[in-house]
Amino acid sequence: NAGVTQTPKFRILKIGQSMTLQCTQDMNHNYMYWYRQDPGMGLKLIYYSVGAGITDKGEVPNGYNVSRSTTEDFPLRLELAAPSQTSVYFCASSFPGQSSYEQYFGPGTRLTVT
Amino acid sequence: ELKVEQNPLFLSMQEGKNYTIYCNYSTTSDRLYWYRQDPGKSLESLFVLLSNGAVKQEGRLMASLDTKARLSTLHITAAVHDLSATYFCAPEPRNSGTYKYIFGTGTRLKVLA
Repeated sequence: NAGVTQTPKFRILKIGQSMTLQCTQDMNHNYMYWYRQDPGMGLKLIYYSVGAGITDKGEVPNGYNVSRSTTEDFPLRLELAAPSQTSVYFCASSFPGQSSYEQYFGPGTRLTVT
Repeated sequence: ELKVEQNPLFLSMQEGKNYTIYCNYSTTSDRLYWYRQDPGKSLESLFVLLSNGAVKQEGRLMASLDTKARLSTLHITAAVHDLSATYFCAPEPRNSGTYKYIFGTGTRLKVLA
């Protein structure tokens, strides 16, 4: 199993550009999450999904959108990038109540908006 | 609203010493997770605490959960340099009916040789 994979690893965006961060998991987890981590800080939940077709806002959803059309994929869309969105983005997945209570994290995408 | 506080935020300790990291949370939760993050890396699961009184140990680290006090501890015994990392706690927000995880602020541990 590859676990949770994220692409790209690094990206530089200009202010006002848009992009999609990709996240895929091959563990058949029904729960998926997007977090951002600012330098020297903890994680903040952006959006999460409890299954295909079901998403909900986290702590800091403004400026982002998500979709969940399959169990495996949970892309995060940034519209009109702003410098405040410079951060490291982590995708995670879990299967509460089964074998994987804890979250499994992807390697992260380091995004800079200038 | 769930709030999670860890202390200390920074911890510099000598090899061979013992110390405890505390994780307090504000609303009812009967499960809690500890994660480790090495500099520039992602997070990896360290401990899964699934009930009140749960205690898990791995090597020089031991985690416990007191759901009545809304407190989890991560105890370090005879620290070694390899334990240098940032440690995060995350109570499971199940009881709120959502899965809006709130992570603690993290404890940055530096073990000095």
